[in-house]
Amino acid sequence: DTGVSQDPRHKITKRGQNVTFRCDPISEHNRLYWYRQTLGQGPEFLTYFQNEAQLEKSRLLSDRFSAERPKGSFSTLEIQRTEQGDSAMYLCASSSKPNTGELFFGEGSRLTVL
Amino acid sequence: AQSVTQLGSHVSVSEGALVLLRCNYSSSVPPYLFWYVQYPNQGLQLLLKYTSAATLVKGINGFEAEFKKSETSFHLTKPSAHMSDAAEYFCAVSPSSGSARQLTFGSGTQLTVLP
Repeated sequence: DTGVSQDPRHKITKRGQNVTFRCDPISEHNRLYWYRQTLGQGPEFLTYFQNEAQLEKSRLLSDRFSAERPKGSFSTLEIQRTEQGDSAMYLCASSSKPNTGELFFGEGSRLTVL
Repeated sequence: AQSVTQLGSHVSVSEGALVLLRCNYSSSVPPYLFWYVQYPNQGLQLLLKYTSAATLVKGINGFEAEFKKSETSFHLTKPSAHMSDAAEYFCAVSPSSGSARQLTFGSGTQLTVLP
């Protein structure tokens, strides 16, 4: 049983550059979530997919952020024109159980914007 | 609207001592409540959950939590701490109706276990 995998684990970029993170959920899970975690804080919800449909986006997800899940399997989170405030851990989680809060998290992708 | 407050960003206990991590919630509808644990360099892992069945919930690794509606609390306890319990613990809440996209986390409590 492979868990949720995220790539890359670490990304250092210069302000203004674009970055993309990939998440591979547990294979039978049709729900996929992106969260952001900054130092000293708990995870904050960014967006949610059910299969390939993006059903919810947080106000935190500015127009520089875009997420896709084209075939209902893996997902990508792209940040355009990165800012120093985007530095955070980006967490992906998946679930097969609706409405229960039981999420399986990946190890996260840490972004540092210089 | 829902939120959780975790009292104490850092808690230290001696090995073998009682672990008590505090969580208070606010929710406009009956909540589901969760504790997640994050070990160093690992993803968050579900420790236990309350979903309106028994108010005393048992989780993995000897942890348990009690839902107290009158106190709006869901504190996490373990009778005897082990070195391997050192980790960050997050309390989370979601409404009992709706989807997991509404999972709201607290800011976390870092547990240190002293030898």
